[in-house]
Amino acid sequence: GAVVSQHPSWVICKSGTSVKIECRSLDFQATTMFWYRQFPKQSLMLMATSNEGSKATYEQGVEKDKFLINHASLTLSTLTVTSAHPEDSSFYICSAKGTTGELFFGEGSRLTVL
Amino acid sequence: DQQVKQNSPSLSVQEGRISILNCDYTNSMFDYFLWYKKYPAEGPTFLISISSIKDKNEDGRFTVFLNKSAKHLSLHIVPSQPGDSAVYFCAARNQGGKLIFGQGTELSVKP
Repeated sequence: GAVVSQHPSWVICKSGTSVKIECRSLDFQATTMFWYRQFPKQSLMLMATSNEGSKATYEQGVEKDKFLINHASLTLSTLTVTSAHPEDSSFYICSAKGTTGELFFGEGSRLTVL
Repeated sequence: DQQVKQNSPSLSVQEGRISILNCDYTNSMFDYFLWYKKYPAEGPTFLISISSIKDKNEDGRFTVFLNKSAKHLSLHIVPSQPGDSAVYFCAARNQGGKLIFGQGTELSVKP
């Protein structure tokens, strides 16, 4: 099946720094990718929809200046958490929509902000 | 506002028996429902889905039932196997095509 890869899978950073997470579709082109955030024991919350070559569409309550999303190519979307704070610590997961419309998820990236 | 709810955070079942995972939703306009399985340190993987115009879909050991009047769906796994131990998420697709996820239920199948 289609593979979506996230990098890094685990990152620790100091408060105030920025962290970039990459999401790549390895064997298919994805015009649409999605970014989710998951708190422990809670559901996956959609943060934004990333469209190749255009601006991301953010869900209500998600700060677009805080969570910068770039979808520069058909196989790569990046999420940058700017000026990270401890409350941004979470599990971030991306998904990519395949040609049949099916969603394929990355492995997730665990961010810990000290 | 939790539109998709999985009220049981965990479920423990004996190998060979049936596992029943439940999911409730509030939005009657959801048109498609999916179940995902997630192992630790991995992303969710698609398991089975059902359209809102159907009430049952079966794929091998996995069957999903949809009761639209009760706004309830369930995933049945029979017979359960130790390899089925994972977190199961139900998800519903809204009119905008976005998936709304439940909180997940951690299934443990004991040998």
